[in-house]
Amino acid sequence: SAVISQKPSRDICQRGTSLTIQCQVDSQVTMMFWYRQQPGQSLTLIATANQGSEATYESGFVIDKFPISRPNLTFSTLTVSNMSPEDSSIYLCSVHSHRGEGYTFGSGTRLTVV
Amino acid sequence: SQQGEEDPQALSIQEGENATMNCSYKTSINNLQWYRQNSGRGLVHLILIRSNEREKHSGRLRVTLDTSKKSSSLLITASRAADTASYFCATDSNDYKLSFGAGTTVTVRA
Repeated sequence: SAVISQKPSRDICQRGTSLTIQCQVDSQVTMMFWYRQQPGQSLTLIATANQGSEATYESGFVIDKFPISRPNLTFSTLTVSNMSPEDSSIYLCSVHSHRGEGYTFGSGTRLTVV
Repeated sequence: SQQGEEDPQALSIQEGENATMNCSYKTSINNLQWYRQNSGRGLVHLILIRSNEREKHSGRLRVTLDTSKKSSSLLITASRAADTASYFCATDSNDYKLSFGAGTTVTVRA
């Protein structure tokens, strides 16, 4: 199955600033998914990123707050913009397994906004 | 959006005992998957069961699926300390988007 390198693993940021999270996959994939996991909660899908087109955002998430880039089939970034303490969460990227059995997740980025 | 509910929310068992957790969902699915998350890190895929399957095994894991009741269960047999983690069910409809349940936190005591 695919291997994903996600960076940074954690960060502490000042409110009002932005953080860009990167995910690098070791193989070409059509779709990449970005999730948010708020403290003590489950995962919520933020958006689906396809190469060469605009990301598709889920209800409650907007491009101005979470801009996504997908410049090629192995890489994507998620930016958390104008951060507030409510953005403190774990952010994870994911791709569909080539074997068709489930999804592979990055190791997550633990973001704390102070 | 989340469509799964899991119970119990938390489970504490002795090493060697079995752990059972349940997941319910609301809409029709293509398959249901179970994931493990250790200490807020990335998720690890455990097992996938398709909508036309009723039971599946993988090592010490046993998963059942009842589409008429829209529910699934995950059984971990002969638990070990390393099984301490949060476990999430996730449903996959035809749009490749996963909807996660609330999760069950399992603590295995030595």
